[in-house]
Amino acid sequence: AQSVSQHNHHVILSEAASLELGCNYSYGGTVNLFWYVQYPGQHLQLLLKYFSGDPLVKGIKGFEAEFIKSKFSFNLRKPSVQWSDTAEYFCAVNQYYGQNFVFGPGTRLSVLP
Amino acid sequence: GAVVSQHPSRVICKSGTSVKIECRSLDFQATTMFWYRQFPKQSLMLMATSNEGSKATYEQGVEKDKFLINHASLTLSTLTVTSAHPEDSSFYICSARVREGAASGNTIYFGEGSWLTVV
Repeated sequence: AQSVSQHNHHVILSEAASLELGCNYSYGGTVNLFWYVQYPGQHLQLLLKYFSGDPLVKGIKGFEAEFIKSKFSFNLRKPSVQWSDTAEYFCAVNQYYGQNFVFGPGTRLSVLP
Repeated sequence: GAVVSQHPSRVICKSGTSVKIECRSLDFQATTMFWYRQFPKQSLMLMATSNEGSKATYEQGVEKDKFLINHASLTLSTLTVTSAHPEDSSFYICSARVREGAASGNTIYFGEGSWLTVV
């Protein structure tokens, strides 16, 4: 069965530090890849997505992610985090033309001011 | 980890009928549950936020009389699609937030989703 793993349960950074959150999936076929963010008390929001084309995808709020097919990875990055980036981050995979999203367990990011 | 269960995972119903999808937090209490819908080849769209014991808050453009959401207890929220039409066919997913004050804080857990087909 398709699965998504995220490397860290909880990441704590100071402001201005660089961020990289790992995401790996198990499905071998063509996939669509997503990163979602959920700020405290709010609903899920889409940060960025990859369907095809340039494997380096830029999203909102300075986030980017790189799809590396050979590694089945889609890691999220940001060069300099802010306190307002404190949130829960979810990686998700959707099989191309598939019906279901499979979400990773999430990574909580805490940014210290 | 905490588990959110959705039932049914797949359902087929006739046009004009109503169908109910349940979202249960199996081992934790959830004061807030979120309902999402996925349109073909797109990401998830938030439909409504459901708070235990109060009326759901619907997003703009979501028909509250068509998509009835009930959050009767701290472990159960239901989405009822009334008078379903083929265009309601979609993938519906819920998520549940652990009750504030619990050890897990505001962690969100997702259900596995429910695929609705209206024929």
